Amino acid sequence: KNQVEQSPQSLIILEGKNCTLQCNYTVSPFSNLRWYKQDTGRGPVSLTIMTFSENTKSNGRYTATLDADTKQSSLHITASQLSDSASYICVVTTLGGGFKTIFGAGTRLFVKA
Amino acid sequence: EPEVTQTPSHQVTQMGQEVILRCVPISNHLYFYWYRQILGQKVEFLVSFYNNEISEKSEIFDDQFSVERPDGSNFTLKIRSTKLEDSAMYFCATRLAGITDTQYFGPGTRLTVL
Repeated sequence: KNQVEQSPQSLIILEGKNCTLQCNYTVSPFSNLRWYKQDTGRGPVSLTIMTFSENTKSNGRYTATLDADTKQSSLHITASQLSDSASYICVVTTLGGGFKTIFGAGTRLFVKA
Repeated sequence: EPEVTQTPSHQVTQMGQEVILRCVPISNHLYFYWYRQILGQKVEFLVSFYNNEISEKSEIFDDQFSVERPDGSNFTLKIRSTKLEDSAMYFCATRLAGITDTQYFGPGTRLTVL
């Protein structure tokens, strides 16, 4: 069964600290993996997109990694800011039977001053 | 920067009524999507639309749902006879062309079925 699991479920960090969010997936065959940021009550905003051949992708203070062999991805946030408080969602697209998109449940990040 | 827009921002309806949610995609985008997010739950894929026809749909997208692009600009999601469990945030998303192109999400329509 195609699944995307994220950990931790929630995380509290102090402003200025770094953090890493994890995503494990069982989706096959794999097309691409995306990380989104979703503020409460808003639509998700794309942070990174990675295909099978990409190991790392950066977008400002956000760096995503992908290990297609172990089917794991991480999102590293550097020097966190209060505005980073949001849900971070891992999304995997599979090629199987057409393109299907599977969302993780997200990690809720709280950045405190 | 171009944005996906959705109307209304909030829709309240009685169970059994029909609702139409509207989306205006980014102008040169070719692929359109509807997602829903029940409060406190994960985002779920409903349907994708390309070249004026459905390209993929999920198990959620049953006969009560339909999509169309009536005038070449708006992209609509119709729920024929709403149920209480249809209460959710509905997001429209669009992308340009390639499968790895960014999907841009709209701000969502909050549907409340009473």
